[in-house]
Amino acid sequence: GNSVTQMEGPVTLSEEAFLTINCTYTATGYPSLFWYVQYPGEGLQLLLKATKADDKGSNKGFEATYRKETTSFHLEKGSVQVSDSAVYFCALGSQGNLIFGKGTKLSVKP
Amino acid sequence: KAGVTQTPRYLIKTRGQQVTLSCSPISGHRSVSWYQQTPGQGLQFLFEYFSETQRNKGNFPGRFSGRQFSNSRSEMNVSTLELGDSALYLCASSLAGSGNSQETQYFGPGTRLLVL
Repeated sequence: GNSVTQMEGPVTLSEEAFLTINCTYTATGYPSLFWYVQYPGEGLQLLLKATKADDKGSNKGFEATYRKETTSFHLEKGSVQVSDSAVYFCALGSQGNLIFGKGTKLSVKP
Repeated sequence: KAGVTQTPRYLIKTRGQQVTLSCSPISGHRSVSWYQQTPGQGLQFLFEYFSETQRNKGNFPGRFSGRQFSNSRSEMNVSTLELGDSALYLCASSLAGSGNSQETQYFGPGTRLLVL
């Protein structure tokens, strides 16, 4: 069946460091891929998405490219801020529901 | 536009009781999905409702049920609560839901349920 695997944290970075959170998926067909972010005590917010191969989603300095050949959708940001501290979830759209990875907790230190 | 709202935000129940959670989707959205979030299992899909009909269902026991009203508001019910039901329950809305796998789901803040 469909599944998502993402690197588990926690990930601790200094402000202005480069961020990569790996995400790979297994799916039949051509699913849409999403990154959601969850701040403490809150629900999930869509960060970015890509709906077909080679699409690049971007938002707030974060980027991810839908790579069909490597079944990956890695999240990157060139320079993280303290305010980026949160839990990041990679997700796959499948028949109307989302299949999530386990989440990666990011802590950014000043 | 107002976002997805969920009530109550926090609940404490004891084993054996039942609980009802409520979700109001974004105006115009007809699909409502429910997810359970726990530290051990992560985020798991419970069910999706569209136009008052359950369209998809995850792998949860029959103690978990839901419904949707004509105004798209949705409720989920858990009967005979168990300790393992302690979780954050998230509701998400979208325009067409499983009718379009590319569609973004918008999440509410969740209801945190603690079962003692």
